[in-house]
Amino acid sequence: LAKTTQPISMDSYEGQEVNITCSHNNIATNDYITWYQQFPSQGPRFIIQGYKTKVTNEVASLFIPADRKSSTLSLPRVSLSDTAVYYCLVGERNTSGTYKYIFGTGTRLKVLA
Amino acid sequence: EAGVTQFPSHSVIEKGQTVTLRCDPISGHDNLYWYRRVMGKEIKFLLHFVKESKQDESGMPNNRFLAERTGGTYSTLKVQPAELEDSGVYFCASSQFAPPVNEQFFGPGTRLTVL
Repeated sequence: LAKTTQPISMDSYEGQEVNITCSHNNIATNDYITWYQQFPSQGPRFIIQGYKTKVTNEVASLFIPADRKSSTLSLPRVSLSDTAVYYCLVGERNTSGTYKYIFGTGTRLKVLA
Repeated sequence: EAGVTQFPSHSVIEKGQTVTLRCDPISGHDNLYWYRRVMGKEIKFLLHFVKESKQDESGMPNNRFLAERTGGTYSTLKVQPAELEDSGVYFCASSQFAPPVNEQFFGPGTRLTVL
């Protein structure tokens, strides 16, 4: 059963780079790793997705080592508005070929002025 | 472009009553998902539709929950009869592409309180 483990909380200051690491020891061959951001009273919002090595988009980078048992979300130069809960997800492929997504406990990031 | 919408935003009902939650996905998104977070717990997958077809409903708690997506557009999630432990936030999400490579767009959720 795919499962993710993340730090419960992190604090950072504005302008710093923040790295959040997620452990997914049981990730399967076909699983992708996805990160979401969630603000209070809102649904999760997609940040980035990857399979291996490094993926970068306009808001973040995702680093995945060769064994894929962990991944690191990197947020460059955070601002106060980045204060949120960040979730790492892996898709779990069923024997029928369908997928379901396992949310972990998430990491509560607090950005300080 | 309109995002995923959910109705109602809040619902307060008594134990034993029936409640129906509605989700309107982004236009053109064939994939629709339901999730829920009960108090203090993690967000849990409930089920996945492709158009009107259920792909995976292994996360549905029990037979008091019924999800439908007639016509492959909006979806409803009915809880009948509701129990106290059903209280929580129910999220709907949609995606253009099927897993595993997909970006899911989430709605704001429906907060259900069962008294």
